[in-house]
Amino acid sequence: NAGVTQTPKFQVLKTGQSMTLQCAQDMNHEYMSWYRQDPGMGLRLIHYSVGAGITDQGEVPNGYNVSRSTTEDFPLRLLSAAPSQTSVYFCASSRTRDRRGYTFGSGTRLTVV
Amino acid sequence: AQKVTQAQTEISVVEKEDVTLDCVYETRDTTYYLFWYKQPPSGELVFLIRRNSFDEQNEISGRYSWNFQKSTSSFNFTITASQVVDSAVYFCALSEFTSGTYKYIFGTGTRLKVLA
Repeated sequence: NAGVTQTPKFQVLKTGQSMTLQCAQDMNHEYMSWYRQDPGMGLRLIHYSVGAGITDQGEVPNGYNVSRSTTEDFPLRLLSAAPSQTSVYFCASSRTRDRRGYTFGSGTRLTVV
Repeated sequence: AQKVTQAQTEISVVEKEDVTLDCVYETRDTTYYLFWYKQPPSGELVFLIRRNSFDEQNEISGRYSWNFQKSTSSFNFTITASQVVDSAVYFCALSEFTSGTYKYIFGTGTRLKVLA
């Protein structure tokens, strides 16, 4: 099925560990983004990309890296996990100049202990 | 600065009651889009509606209706005859044009609990 695929769905990390959250879309969307969702905070933009080879920071980028080597994939890397990064992460995609809305992945629930 | 405010953190209603979720936004854009998303307990984000800034007509879809008023910068969402399955967190969002592309700003969400 076409859409945005996120893996893993759940992950527990120890403080200081690194990991990569995977995001892939098969809709040929230029725009991809990562959000984190925390209680009472809504969804906050971490990083986004308007196309392969182009990335930029969002509202809360510290502690995260991204790259966009292909149109389809937009992985999010946690460099050294901290308990403050415990959250639910959503990947989303859309056409760059399309204001009609995002397609969201199903989310990754990350716990850092 | 662009901003979306959902002042209602949590609302509880009894099944079959009507309920309105408030959304107030701020933007300097003259052209923008507003959205509502539903997040049921399963966690996924479900698109409900999109409204552009030039269309102030109210919209009704089954038990759902939306009231967009530019004069008050509000985009409120009403569920008529609520059902237990409506229990979810509802997010209002605004799209803004920044750095050559569109980005979303989300409100903090309203948790709706519909009690049987």
